[in-house]
Amino acid sequence: RKEVEQDPGPFNVPEGATVAFNCTYSNSASQSFFWYRQDCRKEPKLLMSVYSSGNEDGRFTAQLNRASQYISLLIRDSKLSDSATYLCVVITGRRALTFGSGTRLQVQP
Amino acid sequence: NAGVTQTPKFQVLKTGQSMTLQCAQDMNHEYMSWYRQDPGMGLRLIHYSVGAGITDQGEVPNGYNVSRSTTEDFPLRLLSAAPSQTSVYFCASSYEGGYTGELFFGEGSRLTVL
Repeated sequence: RKEVEQDPGPFNVPEGATVAFNCTYSNSASQSFFWYRQDCRKEPKLLMSVYSSGNEDGRFTAQLNRASQYISLLIRDSKLSDSATYLCVVITGRRALTFGSGTRLQVQP
Repeated sequence: NAGVTQTPKFQVLKTGQSMTLQCAQDMNHEYMSWYRQDPGMGLRLIHYSVGAGITDQGEVPNGYNVSRSTTEDFPLRLLSAAPSQTSVYFCASSYEGGYTGELFFGEGSRLTVL
């Protein structure tokens, strides 16, 4: 089993739709979690951190479920500009940082 | 406002050739790292450094060397290129090594080994 797993997609959704991705992790000792966004043929950029209590940034909501060992990213009112690959990142121990392989989102007009 | 600068952006090598990917950052970050990204594999850590003079291996270090003589620069050397090293390479830096901070990536170097 991979340390960090994501559904590769693509998730094809119409503009204005709500879409959610999950990312599962295998090590229960993992302590920090992030979502990065990567546009086609570009470098990854931090989208948001994931806090234990859940957190929201505009249309984006990130949540952590420690019992089931997954994090989620919810995007409301999808825009064409949200089309990208979303990478989850899990940190276990000092600087043991693992990227998921990403979930591709395509928002259709 | 340079951030993390990688060169070259594209490179084609023949099997057995050597080359160096350059990475420089102007944010005074202590932590620097090299990743490779292959389809369906995510980003995999090759080598990292927590400060000048200190380097360590990541998940996939074989075939690569690094050095960190200054805070700003972290070059990645391919000793004898192999087709399996065809990939997109990203350099990333962080003040805190990603542990609590944000990783800043360069624009990537696309390497093809024939």
